[in-house]
Amino acid sequence: QVQLQESGPGLVKPSQTLSLTCTVSGGSISSGGYYWSWIRQHPGKGLEWIGYIYYSGSTYYNPSLQSRVTISVDTSKNQFSLKLSSVTAADTAVYYCATYKPGDLGNWFDPWGQGTLVTVSS
Amino acid sequence: AIQMTQSPSSLSASVGDRVTITCRASQDIRSDLGWYQQKPGKAPKVLIYAASSLQSGVPSRFSGSGSGTDFTLTISSLQPEDFATYYCLQDYKYPRTFGQGTKVEIQ
Repeated sequence: QVQLQESGPGLVKPSQTLSLTCTVSGGSISSGGYYWSWIRQHPGKGLEWIGYIYYSGSTYYNPSLQSRVTISVDTSKNQFSLKLSSVTAADTAVYYCATYKPGDLGNWFDPWGQGTLVTVSS
Repeated sequence: AIQMTQSPSSLSASVGDRVTITCRASQDIRSDLGWYQQKPGKAPKVLIYAASSLQSGVPSRFSGSGSGTDFTLTISSLQPEDFATYYCLQDYKYPRTFGQGTKVEIQ
């Protein structure tokens, strides 16, 4: 079954670009039928959908972050990535990658990675 | 963006209690609503999708209902492993939006 694992720096300086990668195992990112997603959670707070990408490259972003976000996919490595530019302390959060499965009977986010804490600080 | 409002924000309950959490959408989202459970330090886990469909492997004590703007998650008999935070999520429109969460604590 599909498993996801986030990786990337745990500390990013203000104004720099946050870069995370999600490695997919147990399935092919290019098999279709799924959207590869990023969701974040500020410390002690709720969940915020950042966006997702289809293997073909179609992307959907949260308008609140759209000007700073890029999600891309590397089918050769079975990975997808998140870049968030011009970060501030408000971007400190646990970042999750997740699979979004749309279907005729319903849609859901499953599975999820374990999450990675990214702190924005000088 | 569609706003999702959960109530209550937290509740205290005992093992065996029937627990109900509500989620209200700021506009009609048909049945495009899911419920997720999150335990401390862990990623969320889907319980319910399409408002009332139980995800495979999820115990039958969890159930969901509602459509349009008002939705409910019910735990028929609270178990020790159910103490967690629960989130609703609408995926009817972009951006996908979550409720603020309901923390279920031990009484």
